[in-house]
Amino acid sequence: KAGVTQTPRYLIKTRGQQVTLSCSPISGHRSVSWYQQTPGQGLQFLFEYFSETQRNKGNFPGRFSGRQFSNSRSEMNVSTLELGDSALYLCASSLGDRNNEQFFGPGTRLTVL
Amino acid sequence: GENVEQHPSTLSVQEGDSAVIKCTYSDSASNYFPWYKQELGKRPQLIIDIRSNVGEKKDQRIAVTLNKTAKHFSLHITETQPEDSAVYFCAASPGWGKLQFGAGTQVVVTP
Repeated sequence: KAGVTQTPRYLIKTRGQQVTLSCSPISGHRSVSWYQQTPGQGLQFLFEYFSETQRNKGNFPGRFSGRQFSNSRSEMNVSTLELGDSALYLCASSLGDRNNEQFFGPGTRLTVL
Repeated sequence: GENVEQHPSTLSVQEGDSAVIKCTYSDSASNYFPWYKQELGKRPQLIIDIRSNVGEKKDQRIAVTLNKTAKHFSLHITETQPEDSAVYFCAASPGWGKLQFGAGTQVVVTP
């Protein structure tokens, strides 16, 4: 099976702009979770989608949002970008049960100038 | 919410020696505890996991132990090799689709 894929791999934006990141899960996986990775804060959970519904949410401001499509592909959007949003954004897919393994994509490296 | 603490933050070992990384968690509802290895510039890769109905699990040179009463779990790597050098993250799963990660341990294996 093909692994989790993310596009684009790299992005450079300026403050105030918005950005949309995409994640395609492993075939058959219905859950997609998103994480932000930074040197200072480590790996932090953003939100999780299952069957097009947000099932869980982390402690990020409302500028961070997401959605999931009927084919399980997911997108996350960050509006009004701030310098502190510069990070590696990782998505992970799983079958969707609570204790299923999560498999990560390669990430999107976002730089905000 | 769930809080996962991981120690040590860095670990240097000689090739062939063992490495041990320890984690504690706070939410007793967590029942799933994976370990990820992340090499520089790469994605986190699942190396082993354990569920709360099991106290120990082993896969070749890697083993994980879980003590639910004390809320701690550990990763053991035996006969370390240079390719084991990476950052290792422990995690706990307190809710649907959510992994709460520890801060990571930089493991350096010197030949």
